[in-house]
Amino acid sequence: EAGVVQSPRYKIIEKKQPVAFWCNPISGHNTLYWYLQNLGQGPELLIRYENEEAVDDSQLPKDRFSAERLKGVDSTLKIQPAELGDSAVYLCASSLGGGLRGETQYFGPGTRLLVL
Amino acid sequence: SQQGEEDPQALSIQEGENATMNCSYKTSINNLQWYRQNSGRGLVHLILIRSNEREKHSGRLRVTLDTSKKSSSLLITASRAADTASYFCATGSNYKLTFGKGTLLTVNP
Repeated sequence: EAGVVQSPRYKIIEKKQPVAFWCNPISGHNTLYWYLQNLGQGPELLIRYENEEAVDDSQLPKDRFSAERLKGVDSTLKIQPAELGDSAVYLCASSLGGGLRGETQYFGPGTRLLVL
Repeated sequence: SQQGEEDPQALSIQEGENATMNCSYKTSINNLQWYRQNSGRGLVHLILIRSNEREKHSGRLRVTLDTSKKSSSLLITASRAADTASYFCATGSNYKLTFGKGTLLTVNP
């Protein structure tokens, strides 16, 4: 079974430029998460989708961050414009969603972003 | 914001020894999970313990949960060099995971 796929794995951009990250969850997983992980820290949730609906985006900085999951499968996270402080690893995760089986999240390898 | 807090922040042991990591949290939970992260890679789920459970085993892993003290421990027995990684506890509530800062475990061959 294929795991969570993320691309690109690495991205270097200059500040004020836009950037986008893509995630394809495990097949059949209704719930998709985007996390931000700063160096030396644990991941922090940015947004959670149930199918195509964003059910928890309270931690997403909406002035510059946006996300979409149009068909309820893959998802894109965008930053525009990027700032120096956005340098971090962006992790995508998915779970079965609903009930006890949905408690375990499966993570992709992440996209490491460096803003210069 | 991060709820779980792991202790110690870093741990260095010899291969074959046991490693114990602790996690404390602040609010009520449905479950507590432990994840491992190798350098430069995503997180891998290790084990989940529900709030009504006290102890759980999986291979060389043993997890305990004390909800009265709001704490959990992860024991890795007979450690191997391949166990070198960061270990995170994550508290689960309403399908939301809140991670701690992690414990960096180094197993020396």
